Amino acid sequence: KQEVTQIPAALSVPEGENLVLNCSFTDSAIYNLQWFRQDPGKGLTSLLLIQSSQREQTSGRLNASLDKSSGRSTLYIAASQPGDSATYLCAVLNQAGTALIFGKGTTLSVSS
Amino acid sequence: DVKVTQSSRYLVKRTGEKVFLECVQDMDHENMFWYRQDPGLGLRLIYFSYDVKMKEKGDIPEGYSVSREKKERFSLILESASTNQTSMYLCASSFVPPDTQYFGPGTRLTVL
Repeated sequence: KQEVTQIPAALSVPEGENLVLNCSFTDSAIYNLQWFRQDPGKGLTSLLLIQSSQREQTSGRLNASLDKSSGRSTLYIAASQPGDSATYLCAVLNQAGTALIFGKGTTLSVSS
Repeated sequence: DVKVTQSSRYLVKRTGEKVFLECVQDMDHENMFWYRQDPGLGLRLIYFSYDVKMKEKGDIPEGYSVSREKKERFSLILESASTNQTSMYLCASSFVPPDTQYFGPGTRLTVL
């Protein structure tokens, strides 16, 4: 059964730092991998989607990589800002394309 | 912009009541999903639907049923609410083949 793990569970950094969030998954047979952001008490916002055939995706200050063979993904956030404070969730879509399996998230706090 | 709306942001019900949670999307998405999110357990898939009148069980369907009579609307039904169904419920939708899932703002349900 696919399991998704995110490390660390929580992270506090000063404004301006570059940081990396980690995600690992146990079954490499995935359709795609997605990173989401969730603000307290709110729904999820999609940040980046990497298809299984791709190695990375970039959007502004965010860069996500995928290494399917090792079952790992990283989300790199450059020049962090207080507005980046949120919980970041990693999720893998199974090969049938029917179910997203989520990690428990990394809660990021960026102080000014 | 894709919009996924949920009928209520907050809901308080009594044990044994029948509860309806409604979700509507405006992007003509084929797939729709219901998740629940609990501290320490993350997001878990309850049911999903890939077409009108079609439904598939997710990881935790017990105590829930769903209805999809129109493409844009997906309802989650708690036949007899129990206190262990107190949770945040999130609806999502996506195209086929699988694209990113778009989430609604969530309904925080409390069962007393």
